[in-house]
Amino acid sequence: SQTIHQWPATLVQPVGSPLSLECTVEGTSNPNLYWYRQAAGRGLQLLFYSVGIGQISSEVPQNLSASRPQDRQFILSSKKLLLSDSGFYLCAWTEQETQYFGPGTRLLVL
Amino acid sequence: ELKVEQNPLFLSMQEGKNYTIYCNYSTTSDRLYWYRQDPGKSLESLFVLLSNGAVKQEGRLMASLDTKARLSTLHITAAVHDLSATYFCAVHGSSNTGKLIFGQGTTLQVKP
Repeated sequence: SQTIHQWPATLVQPVGSPLSLECTVEGTSNPNLYWYRQAAGRGLQLLFYSVGIGQISSEVPQNLSASRPQDRQFILSSKKLLLSDSGFYLCAWTEQETQYFGPGTRLLVL
Repeated sequence: ELKVEQNPLFLSMQEGKNYTIYCNYSTTSDRLYWYRQDPGKSLESLFVLLSNGAVKQEGRLMASLDTKARLSTLHITAAVHDLSATYFCAVHGSSNTGKLIFGQGTTLQVKP
């Protein structure tokens, strides 16, 4: 069966520091992968999606970037975090007709 | 631009009562999703609705889709406390990429 891992689970970072969040999917090949962000008490906003290795599409202009160095690995990065980057970051993949979400990373920028 | 709107955004109800959450979307889409989110947790898939008139049921929850009206409903029957959570609907923003556009979420509080 397919599983999705995200780490770290929680992160507290100072403003201006770099960021790297990792998402790994097991049990599937060539999945479509997605990064979403959920601000406190809000809905989900799509940040990036990828249909294959090295293929990244950005939905929202911001100081974040994404990379897909391997088929089942999706990384979200920033060179300098802003206060507004705080939130719950969710990685997702699509299997057949359903989109499944990972456990998420809760990021607090101080 | 595809927009998804849910109402109500907050719902407090007594156990045993019935209620419906509505999800409207602005342009045509080939599928609609319902998710549940418990506080501090990720999203759990509840239903995927693929065609006009589709109806799916799981326990006390039933979801339906009317693509002509661009409307989906999530009906709660005889609510119990365990159903307290935030419910999101989401629509396919693009069938090629699978990206989803989410509603704002409906927070359901079921009181004993």
